[in-house]
Amino acid sequence: RKEVEQDPGPFNVPEGATVAFNCTYSNSASQSFFWYRQDCRKEPKLLMSVYSSGNEDGRFTAQLNRASQYISLLIRDSKLSDSATYLCVVNSAGGGNKLTFGTGTQLKVEL
Amino acid sequence: DTGVSQDPRHKITKRGQNVTFRCDPISEHNRLYWYRQTLGQGPEFLTYFQNEAQLEKSRLLSDRFSAERPKGSFSTLEIQRTEQGDSAMYLCASSLVARYGYTFGSGTRLTVV
Repeated sequence: RKEVEQDPGPFNVPEGATVAFNCTYSNSASQSFFWYRQDCRKEPKLLMSVYSSGNEDGRFTAQLNRASQYISLLIRDSKLSDSATYLCVVNSAGGGNKLTFGTGTQLKVEL
Repeated sequence: DTGVSQDPRHKITKRGQNVTFRCDPISEHNRLYWYRQTLGQGPEFLTYFQNEAQLEKSRLLSDRFSAERPKGSFSTLEIQRTEQGDSAMYLCASSLVARYGYTFGSGTRLTVV
């Protein structure tokens, strides 16, 4: 079983739609959680950290469920510029401070 | 530019040749990481330095791969006797504290022909 699992998509949505991505992780001792965004042929960039209490940044909301080992990202009022791959990322306890990335979920926002 | 710099951006090499990539992290970051990414996959961890000490290496890092970070500043990743399977994007990242996430460089895209 992969440490971090995501649905690869693609998710094709119309502009203005709300879209949600989910991710599960296998290491219950994981400590830190993130969503990264990666544009085609570019490096990943930190989108937001994910906290147990849930956190919001503009149109983006991230949630963490430690009991279910589940992370989500909600994008409201999606824009064409949101088209990218969204990577779920986990920093596992005892993992030597390294981040483990999921394979990413591809989002395509269409007119 | 205060970001993470990687050089070269692209490298095409013949199978069997050696290649070396360089990464200059954000100056105040003491942690430096190398990852490899192939098409349709997320970045895969290769190795990690804290200052000049290499603290962890992935099983992916075969004997043909070596990384150094002399003086705890820039880092190099060398691949000896390259194989076609080494073709990938090699990403460097740095951080102060891993729980706050990393900053990635633009990557070096290696093509082995």
